[in-house]
Amino acid sequence: EVQLVESGGGLVQPGGSLRLSCAGSGFTFNDFWMTWVRQAPGKGLEWVANMNRDGSEIYYVDSVKGRFTISRDDAKNSLFLQMNSLRVEDTAMYYCVKSSGFIPDYWGQGTLVTVSS
Amino acid sequence: DIVMTQSPDSLAVSLGERATINCKSSQSVLSSSNNKNYLAWYQQKPGQSPKIMFYWASTRESGVPDRFSGSGSGTDFTLTISSLQAEDVAVYYCLQYYNSPVTFGGGTKVEIK
Repeated sequence: EVQLVESGGGLVQPGGSLRLSCAGSGFTFNDFWMTWVRQAPGKGLEWVANMNRDGSEIYYVDSVKGRFTISRDDAKNSLFLQMNSLRVEDTAMYYCVKSSGFIPDYWGQGTLVTVSS
Repeated sequence: DIVMTQSPDSLAVSLGERATINCKSSQSVLSSSNNKNYLAWYQQKPGQSPKIMFYWASTRESGVPDRFSGSGSGTDFTLTISSLQAEDVAVYYCLQYYNSPVTFGGGTKVEIK
């Protein structure tokens, strides 16, 4: 069974940083693209970033370019999202998603990031 | 960026009745190279993370009941629930993966009338 467990969320002040982690199991982690998707409270879904198997292809939504960095450690079956210069509008549940190419398929339960002073 | 527009924003349907959700893309998501529509549908039940239901517009994910169907091509797509059940109460999202950035529709909330 595919499992994705996110961690690292919390309360941070505007301008601060957080590093999200995602531990994957139940599938061959290094065979798949991985994606981060976020959902602001009471709002819809927003794709944030994804990367391919070897990290040679990485994409970001414009609103996080230059501030967020996606990375992976296949030896540890882990995905990361380094978030710098956080803004109030980055407040959201962040989901780690296993992806078949550009298709997000299996989702974790999410980790909540709150940016507030 | 491709803009995905869903309609309606919400709908209330009686148990056993049909529910129809529409999704329109601002440009075609049909690839001429493989004749596939780069369109997926997701279901998000209250308090849960989203679950994929369809990809390539009409390919049903394993475990999705056959009362759900996905259809459409090019820029216009539909998710249909043929006979609404209580467990289908959720928000449904379409997503295009034709190009980056991948973009979601705004969601359609389905409730019981």
